[in-house]
Amino acid sequence: EAGVVQSPRYKIIEKKQPVAFWCNPISGHNTLYWYLQNLGQGPELLIRYENEEAVDDSQLPKDRFSAERLKGVDSTLKIQPAELGDSAVYLCASSLRGGPNEQFFGPGTRLTVL
Amino acid sequence: AQSVTQLGSHVSVSEGALVLLRCNYSSSVPPYLFWYVQYPNQGLQLLLKYTSAATLVKGINGFEAEFKKSETSFHLTKPSAHMSDAAEYFCAVRVSGNTGKLIFGQGTTLQVKP
Repeated sequence: EAGVVQSPRYKIIEKKQPVAFWCNPISGHNTLYWYLQNLGQGPELLIRYENEEAVDDSQLPKDRFSAERLKGVDSTLKIQPAELGDSAVYLCASSLRGGPNEQFFGPGTRLTVL
Repeated sequence: AQSVTQLGSHVSVSEGALVLLRCNYSSSVPPYLFWYVQYPNQGLQLLLKYTSAATLVKGINGFEAEFKKSETSFHLTKPSAHMSDAAEYFCAVRVSGNTGKLIFGQGTTLQVKP
């Protein structure tokens, strides 16, 4: 079974530029999560999808961040414009819906904003 | 509100020694608790989870954790450390309700010395 796929793995951009991250969850997983992981910290949830619906985006900075999950499968997280403080690892995870189901994490995208 | 505190950001043990990584949680309802491991430049991998069944939970790679309600703890242990255990370890609590949201601790870096 293929795991959660993320691309790109690394991205370096200059501040004020836009950037997008892509995630393909495990087949059949209804729930998709985007997490932000700062250096030396645990992941923090940005947004959670149930199928194509964003059911928890309370931690997403909506002035510059946006996300979509068209057709309830792949998802894209976008930052526009990027700021220096956005340098971090962006993790995508997926799970089956309901209960204490395990979240499977992708390898993440490491973003560096110069 | 639920929270997780990991005591000790860095733990160093000798190969073959006992591994003990500490995690305390705060929750007003019976929690679901998780331990994840993260190797460099990789996503998080589930080691084990507590879901209100047995208080002693066995996971992968010889790790286990014991849920102690009276101490609000969920410490991770392994009898004998291997060099391959060197990684970052995260304790997490699942937010109550059918949200799937995890709150992670700050992480503990485990160093294993030969």
